[in-house]
Amino acid sequence: EIVLTQSPGTLSLSPGERATLSCRASQSVSSTYLAWYQQKPGQAPRLLIYGASTRATGIPDRFSGSGSGTDFTLTISRLEPEDFAVYYCQQYGSSRWTFGRGTKVEVK
Amino acid sequence: VQLMESGGGLVQPGGSLRLSCAASGFTFNTSPMSWVRQAPGQGLEWVSTISGSGSGTYYADSVEGRFTISRDNSKNTLWLQMNSLRDDDTAVYYCAKTDFGAGRSLGYWGQGTLVTVSS
Repeated sequence: EIVLTQSPGTLSLSPGERATLSCRASQSVSSTYLAWYQQKPGQAPRLLIYGASTRATGIPDRFSGSGSGTDFTLTISRLEPEDFAVYYCQQYGSSRWTFGRGTKVEVK
Repeated sequence: VQLMESGGGLVQPGGSLRLSCAASGFTFNTSPMSWVRQAPGQGLEWVSTISGSGSGTYYADSVEGRFTISRDNSKNTLWLQMNSLRDDDTAVYYCAKTDFGAGRSLGYWGQGTLVTVSS
């Protein structure tokens, strides 16, 4: 089973700053099957990025995804107040879906 | 797209519960669907996925043999039958539309239903 390790666990930043979130896989993952989600307290997760770098419908262009193989990154170019949330990476492989444990982006 | 889960509640260890997910706003019978759960204060855990026709089903090791995913395409409804429930099955259960054309990502989610397993 592929394990996804997200770092850091918590990222403390101010609005307007750049956020860089890491997702590392225990073995190589097809970029096609790497996604990122945002979850705010009391809400369901929301798909941000699929295929490692394709923004989902309605997602602002300040969100971008990159990476390949075992190392993937979600970047938020300039944090807006509504971006403070928990972010999860997720992969699909061998008929299994796996999530990372999440990175919390909090207000500094 | 709208997804609405129901059927959650309090159940004793060893008991059973059936969750439902009513879907609308998209072509249900061609859309794979999944269940994902989130224990209190914890991260997301994939539980199960079913193909659009219902012929293919997939389960996490933690629920294999205890949970059964199914669907009725004539009713636009997804189910999760949960048997032999354990304390660690306590979680909010989300249904999600699964897009095999978008890297098998989970593009739309319901608001979730809480399952509490406790004596």
